[in-house]
Amino acid sequence: QVQLVQSGAEVKRPGASVKVSCKASGYTFTDYYIHWVRQAPGQGLEWMGWMNPDDGGTNPAQKFQGRVAMTRDASINTAYMELSSLTSDDTAVFYCARTVTTRIDVWGTGTTVTVSS
Amino acid sequence: QSALTQPASVSGSPGQSITISCTGSSRDVGGYNSVSWYQQYAGKAPKLIIYEVSIRPSGVSNRFSGSQSGNTASLTISGLQAEDEADYYCTSYTRTSMLGYVFGSGTKVTVL
Repeated sequence: QVQLVQSGAEVKRPGASVKVSCKASGYTFTDYYIHWVRQAPGQGLEWMGWMNPDDGGTNPAQKFQGRVAMTRDASINTAYMELSSLTSDDTAVFYCARTVTTRIDVWGTGTTVTVSS
Repeated sequence: QSALTQPASVSGSPGQSITISCTGSSRDVGGYNSVSWYQQYAGKAPKLIIYEVSIRPSGVSNRFSGSQSGNTASLTISGLQAEDEADYYCTSYTRTSMLGYVFGSGTKVTVL
């Protein structure tokens, strides 16, 4: 079955970076865009950007431009999201997700990132 | 990219119908036939329940329906059940420099 399995929870200091992985299985990785979405504790969903696994093209949300890098290693069907200059406001669950045309049809398992001194 | 506007909470009794609105602008909701709705239980990943305004994925109850008028999309849950108590989010394409997404602010549905 189609799955997106993410890396485990992370604890980071303010100012550090975090890199989250998202391993796809059950479909052709390069055929579907990967999006990243975050959810702070008790808050709503926030779109961070998309990546085209076929050519590596990306479109980060304006809020994250310059601070987020979305990459992939197509040889192992894995997408990555690296967020830099972390602050406590970045404490959240980060999801990768697959889109089919207009919609997200598969969500990753989620990765909790805690930023604390 | 400001979040699409949803009511913070909506409640109803079992068996009733409720409607959740999702208001954007011509740059997002009104400009594309792309509104999706997601249901999220606490601590879980969201689940797609409506896409392209009114299409239900296979396996989703027909008690969920979607519609749109201008810049406002709506999700209606009919025959409300206890299991419908969850958070609901809309999303839409939005165009700034490139085509992206924007989520709604989220609505907590409470079954009384």
